Amino acid sequence: QVQLQESGPGLVKPSQTLSLTCTVSGGSISTGSYYWSWIRQTAGKGLEWVGRIYPSGSTNYNPSLKSRVTISLDTVKNQFSLKLSSVTAADTAVYYCARDRFFAAPHSYYYYVDVWGKGTTVTVSS
Amino acid sequence: QSVLTQPPSVSAAPGQKVTISCSGSSSNIGNNYVSWYQHLPGTAPKLLIYDNNKRPSGIPDRFSGSKSGTSATLGITGLQTGDEADYYCGTWDSSLSAVFGGGTKLTVL
Repeated sequence: QVQLQESGPGLVKPSQTLSLTCTVSGGSISTGSYYWSWIRQTAGKGLEWVGRIYPSGSTNYNPSLKSRVTISLDTVKNQFSLKLSSVTAADTAVYYCARDRFFAAPHSYYYYVDVWGKGTTVTVSS
Repeated sequence: QSVLTQPPSVSAAPGQKVTISCSGSSSNIGNNYVSWYQHLPGTAPKLLIYDNNKRPSGIPDRFSGSKSGTSATLGITGLQTGDEADYYCGTWDSSLSAVFGGGTKLTVL
């Protein structure tokens, strides 16, 4: 079965860029049926969707983070990555990489996340 | 503050039934399908319900989902101590982004 593993620095200084990578095992990231996403959870708060990428390279980002987020794919390494620029303490969170299913019907959308990574904690502090 | 509203906590005794609500709007729950997730701290969240009321393979039928208008509900029957976790609802929004609830902590007394 598909497994996801996040990796990257656990500490980032304010104003710098947070960079995380998700390694996908047990399946190809190029499979056209799935999106590859980043979701975060800040302390004491719920889940916040950061954004996602489709194997074609098409991306969707959270409107509140869009100006600072870049998600990319590396099909050779079977990985996808997150870059979040100009970070502040508010970006301190557990970051999860995930695989989601998405279908657009005429008047509604089907969306769910069927595989999650275990998450990695990123602290923004000087 | 989360786009979808959930109660911060619910509790019930072992063997009992509990429901967790998730309230949204016409831009999200009202027109799209809802999913539910179980999260034990330090582990990967697990998909419990998708497409409002479908269970992935391996999820027991003690877990159920429903949707009415702009609200959705997760039901858990025959509560077990192992069900103690945080539960989240999620769906797609017309802002072209996914949205989630703030999470509900379930305590099995």
